Amino acid sequence: ILNVEQSPQSLHVQEGDSTNFTCSFPSSNFYALHWYRWETAKSPEALFVMTLNGDEKKKGRISATLNTKEGYSYLYIKGSQPEDSATYLCASNAGGTSYGKLTFGQGTILTVHP
Amino acid sequence: EAQVTQNPRYLITVTGKKLTVTCSQNMNHEYMSWYRQDPGLGLRQIYYSMNVEVTDKGDVPEGYKVSRKEKRNFPLILESPSPNQTSLYFCASSLSRGGRGEYFGPGTRLTVT
Repeated sequence: ILNVEQSPQSLHVQEGDSTNFTCSFPSSNFYALHWYRWETAKSPEALFVMTLNGDEKKKGRISATLNTKEGYSYLYIKGSQPEDSATYLCASNAGGTSYGKLTFGQGTILTVHP
Repeated sequence: EAQVTQNPRYLITVTGKKLTVTCSQNMNHEYMSWYRQDPGLGLRQIYYSMNVEVTDKGDVPEGYKVSRKEKRNFPLILESPSPNQTSLYFCASSLSRGGRGEYFGPGTRLTVT
């Protein structure tokens, strides 16, 4: 089983704060790194898929960077809002033999307080 | 509307009684997969399929079977369910490589007594 780790496990911030989380993954046989947002009682929703070293992606106030050589990705949220409260998951098929085999991290639970 | 559907959404069954959870997508995606979600263990991949008639094991395939006879459908079969298969199951689909990530179904809550 590939080792995909996320930190911190949980995070409490105040509305308006900017925050970031980390995802680390094996740096060998890299195919792609995914970020998902998972709200309570809903299904995970894809935010970004990154495939190239140095990739940077942005969606509104959320952005992500990728370093495949050292095996990490950062997710940033600028000016957090209460509606950003969710679990943020990363997933990778790095280190495996197939693009299809995807391993998820445990997630970072973000709570944004008004 | 682009979607992944799963049926049933909730199921309570008994040990050993074969069951099938269906999954269907209407986006012509080549790639489909099944996950289970357990507290403290996160999402774990059970099986995936890169295309019709092409399936492979994920991280936790024991006790499950899958088939991919048509592009849109990817059923999950539990031949002899056991209580340790009580879990929340998600089906997902995506384009074959990269793309926009996986589209997840609504989930199936399975309880095996």
